[in-house]
Amino acid sequence: EAAVTQSPRNKVAVTGGKVTLSCNQTNNHNNMYWYRQDTGHGLRLIHYSYGAGSTEKGDIPDGYKASRPSQENFSLILELATPSQTSVYFCASGEVYEQYFGPGTRLTVL
Amino acid sequence: GDKVKQSPSALSLQEGTNSALRCNFSIAATTVQWFLQNPRGSLINLFYLVPGTKENGRLKSAFDSKESYSTLHIRDAQLEDSGTYFCAAEAGFASALTFGSGTKVIPCLP
Repeated sequence: EAAVTQSPRNKVAVTGGKVTLSCNQTNNHNNMYWYRQDTGHGLRLIHYSYGAGSTEKGDIPDGYKASRPSQENFSLILELATPSQTSVYFCASGEVYEQYFGPGTRLTVL
Repeated sequence: GDKVKQSPSALSLQEGTNSALRCNFSIAATTVQWFLQNPRGSLINLFYLVPGTKENGRLKSAFDSKESYSTLHIRDAQLEDSGTYFCAAEAGFASALTFGSGTKVIPCLP
């Protein structure tokens, strides 16, 4: 069974603070992704990675950085968090075939 | 405009009836995935489609890449079918997905 885990599951941050969201996959997939979902909407792609050491910009990368230190781990970094980044963040892993999603991280920026 | 347009945006689900959900694409989709987001927020993989059809129990899905649309049919609906259904099209880079806005399926009590 595909396994993607995220931590933390919930986070409250202050405006201007630094936030790091972590993702781990045990699928041995090369590709990993970060999406955000805002209330009543579908998911939008922030950053993705082809493998360890690579990060690429998705559709809405402004205000976010990503880091892929290993095959298993992919982090999303908000250097200066803003209230507009309050959202639910999903990580996924995949190859040519299906993507598998983690349970999501609910981030609130006050 | 929306690259992946889902309809309807909401649907009342009466037990035992059949329902149809649709996605229209304005991008050159090569593959499509359908997900159910349950009330806890988890994304459950339903189908991964290349052009053609797939069936799984009471669910059936089709993807026509030439006419740029995909459908999901629910037969003999049950209360556990409730949630928000998302379609997502492969955007062509690292298999990243472009999501529709979802169809919220709400149980209709008799």
